[in-house]
Amino acid sequence: AQTVTQSQPEMSVQEAETVTLSCTYDTSESDYYLFWYKQPPSRQMILVIRQEAYKQQNATENRFSVNFQKAAKSFSLKISDSQLGDAAMYFCAYRRNGDKIIFGKGTRLHILP
Amino acid sequence: NAGVTQTPKFRILKIGQSMTLQCTQDMNHNYMYWYRQDPGMGLKLIYYSVGAGITDKGEVPNGYNVSRSTTEDFPLRLELAAPSQTSVYFCASSYDGRINEKLFFGSGTQLSVL
Repeated sequence: AQTVTQSQPEMSVQEAETVTLSCTYDTSESDYYLFWYKQPPSRQMILVIRQEAYKQQNATENRFSVNFQKAAKSFSLKISDSQLGDAAMYFCAYRRNGDKIIFGKGTRLHILP
Repeated sequence: NAGVTQTPKFRILKIGQSMTLQCTQDMNHNYMYWYRQDPGMGLKLIYYSVGAGITDKGEVPNGYNVSRSTTEDFPLRLELAAPSQTSVYFCASSYDGRINEKLFFGSGTQLSVL
């Protein structure tokens, strides 16, 4: 069965600094998608970034980028120039074709002013 | 554009009571989902629907029921509420369920069963 593991329940970073959130997953599939979702205090989850397993190039969305290591089954999220609005719960998620999306337990990110 | 709207935002139930959590979306999405989020846990899929009139069970369907009579609405029914159903419930939608498609979420319903 597929699993998604986020080993850091909480992290803190100074404003304007860079932080990396870790995610590992377990699968025997070769074609799948990985996602990072953000859940701010308002609770409404929004998609931050996504990565197709067949693409070697790491996805980037403005200050957010990923480090996708397919062989290691690792999918970390890097947030550059952290801002107060980045404070949230971040969920890593995995989805294979024809199946439901699987979420990790989340990492709560605190931004220190 | 309202997106996915959930009501109510908060609710307290007594053990054995029933209630319906409402979810509506105005994006003409075919797929709709109900998740629950327990403290320190990820989201668990309760039920989902791929279109009006079609529903299917997710990982944790026991104690819940759903219906999908229209494309827009996907209510979740709790019968005989139990303390184990204390959780935050999220409704989500997507257009056609493609593997890379992002989910649009509502802002959740915090439910306490006492």
